[in-house]
Amino acid sequence: DAGITQSPRHKVTETGTPVTLRCHQTENHRYMYWYRQDPGHGLRLIHYSYGVKDTDKGEVSDGYSVSRSKTEDFLLTLESATSSQTSVYFCAISTNTEAFFGQGTRLTVV
Amino acid sequence: GENVEQHPSTLSVQEGDSAVIKCTYSDSASNYFPWYKQELGKRPQLIIDIRSNVGEKKDQRIAVTLNKTAKHFSLHITETQPEDSAVYFCAASKLTGTASKLTFGTGTRLQVTL
Repeated sequence: DAGITQSPRHKVTETGTPVTLRCHQTENHRYMYWYRQDPGHGLRLIHYSYGVKDTDKGEVSDGYSVSRSKTEDFLLTLESATSSQTSVYFCAISTNTEAFFGQGTRLTVV
Repeated sequence: GENVEQHPSTLSVQEGDSAVIKCTYSDSASNYFPWYKQELGKRPQLIIDIRSNVGEKKDQRIAVTLNKTAKHFSLHITETQPEDSAVYFCAASKLTGTASKLTFGTGTRLQVTL
């Protein structure tokens, strides 16, 4: 599993509340990514990080922010959750041979 | 940015038959094309990949082909088995060092029937 863990694994939250998802890695990888997975859309990149405090937007970044204050942790925050952000969220890291995904977080916004 | 299209969205084959999934990409600078398999409720896992300096790659029953001129690549699974049933995603990216910002296709649900 390349030492990637996501927390929480499941979360139900109300519209308008802030939510933070955590991705933790143990192998000192430089690059980390947040994707969301929705039926009919595959996996879409939200944000990624190329080092501590270095982040950039992906194709579906609106409504999301990220932070990386330590190499091992990459946080995804929904500032004010909306029903359209109900999804499965995957964190990933990349090596020089492949990208590895975390187990995913199923987020439901009601 | 990169755009990846994947077909078909669903594919049903009988056990022992072959399955082919096709993808096209838009950015001629993309140089890395992995395929991921995702079983129900699990994370996507890499099954095979190909880089732009290679036209074909095989690993036992699976193979991937790449046509850079036409900007398309395909996954071939031979002698399909029930455990091949899953959702398969193609992806494309420009590999730079260890960066792999993947753009995914929309997925193909493969059903292998007995």
